[in-house]
Amino acid sequence: DIQMTQSPSSLSASVGDRVSITCRASQSISRFLNWYQQRPGKAPKLLMFAASSLQSGVPSRFSGRGSGTEFTLTISNLQPEDVATYFCQQSYTTLYTFGQGTKLEVK
Amino acid sequence: QVHLVQSGSELKRPGASVRISCKASGHTFSNYTLNWVRQAPGQGLDFMGWISTNTENPTYAPGFTGRFIFSLDTSVNTAYLQITSLKADDTAVYFCARGAAAGTGYHYYYFMDVWGEGTTVTVSS
Repeated sequence: DIQMTQSPSSLSASVGDRVSITCRASQSISRFLNWYQQRPGKAPKLLMFAASSLQSGVPSRFSGRGSGTEFTLTISNLQPEDVATYFCQQSYTTLYTFGQGTKLEVK
Repeated sequence: QVHLVQSGSELKRPGASVRISCKASGHTFSNYTLNWVRQAPGQGLDFMGWISTNTENPTYAPGFTGRFIFSLDTSVNTAYLQITSLKADDTAVYFCARGAAAGTGYHYYYFMDVWGEGTTVTVSS
């Protein structure tokens, strides 16, 4: 299995801040990396695919970068509605695996 | 509009079975795979596997073989997850999610772009 490790596990930031979440893969996955946002009590929502391609309808405040084993999701100009847990997921193999999640609190 | 609508919450005794449905609308069912994801209370997302809506061939992730069964009824654009011999640690929210791809040339990138609302399964005596 490809293991995905996110850091930090949680973070807190203020409205207007810029935050970044890191995801590391246990082996190279090229750019086969997706990001999801899960708001409390809701289903996950696709934010980004292929490491840096923004899903339709997702605000441009969200951006992604990386390839190989290290990836970053950045949220600029943090908004109250960004309170959520963020998950990375590899699609390099057909047996996808998720990171453990990063819980974001907005002060 | 593309939707995946899941069946309602279930309360089951240990040892029983449960079947969850996931009905698709707004897209051509056979053009996308159908994935299943589990989320135990307060935990992260576990990928359970997927089923081809063309061949009806299922693929199960490690840890989800044996008691977990994916199936389809293509006549009503519906996917099913059956779990047999339920245990307390099967208590979770189960999501279905549409599998899609984007890309050109050499690379197609796969992702889950539409999700059902989740079905809560509680296993308790």
